[in-house]
Amino acid sequence: DAGVTQSPTHLIKTRGQQVTLRCSPKSGHDTVSWYQQALGQGPQFIFQYYEEEERQRGNFPDRFSGHQFPNYSSELNVNALLLGDSALYLCASSSRGSGRGYNEQFFGPGTRLTVL
Amino acid sequence: DQQVKQNSPSLSVQEGRISILNCDYTNSMFDYFLWYKKYPAEGPTFLISISSIKDKNEDGRFTVFLNKSAKHLSLHIVPSQPGDSAVYFCAASPMNRDDKIIFGKGTRLHILP
Repeated sequence: DAGVTQSPTHLIKTRGQQVTLRCSPKSGHDTVSWYQQALGQGPQFIFQYYEEEERQRGNFPDRFSGHQFPNYSSELNVNALLLGDSALYLCASSSRGSGRGYNEQFFGPGTRLTVL
Repeated sequence: DQQVKQNSPSLSVQEGRISILNCDYTNSMFDYFLWYKKYPAEGPTFLISISSIKDKNEDGRFTVFLNKSAKHLSLHIVPSQPGDSAVYFCAASPMNRDDKIIFGKGTRLHILP
């Protein structure tokens, strides 16, 4: 089991550009959540996808959008990049209806985005 | 507005002693509390959780204590080992278990030889 995988590992973009980050969930998981971790901060929830629909959204502007595919993999798109978008972007997968009483999410290693 | 607060950015503990990491929260709607551990260049890894109906949960060297009246939880690691050196995130999940997880800023734990 490969666990949660993310690509690319690192990315450098300039202000105003657009970026797409990719995530493959852990085998058997159907829900993908995206988080942004700025330097010195904890991960901040961006949004969550289940059954190819955005189910939950954090306090992020519309420049942040996503998609989930039928195989449960997901993309995070950020348009009109700002310097402040520089961060580690984490993808987490989980399984709805897992029977657990809490939302145990498994995280990927993240994509480090630098905006110049 | 920080709903989950970890007020100690770092903590140094001698190997073999007890490490105590603290966390405060403000939202009474949180139903589950979780601790994640993060090494550099890796994603956070789930460590231990506790339901709001409990006040203690133990898993090997790790114990989490919850004081609902004080809106405070703590993670105890005993004995501390060199491999425990990492960043520890306190996190909370609202009553809907499929909901987002809200993280604190983290505490960097250094285990000293």
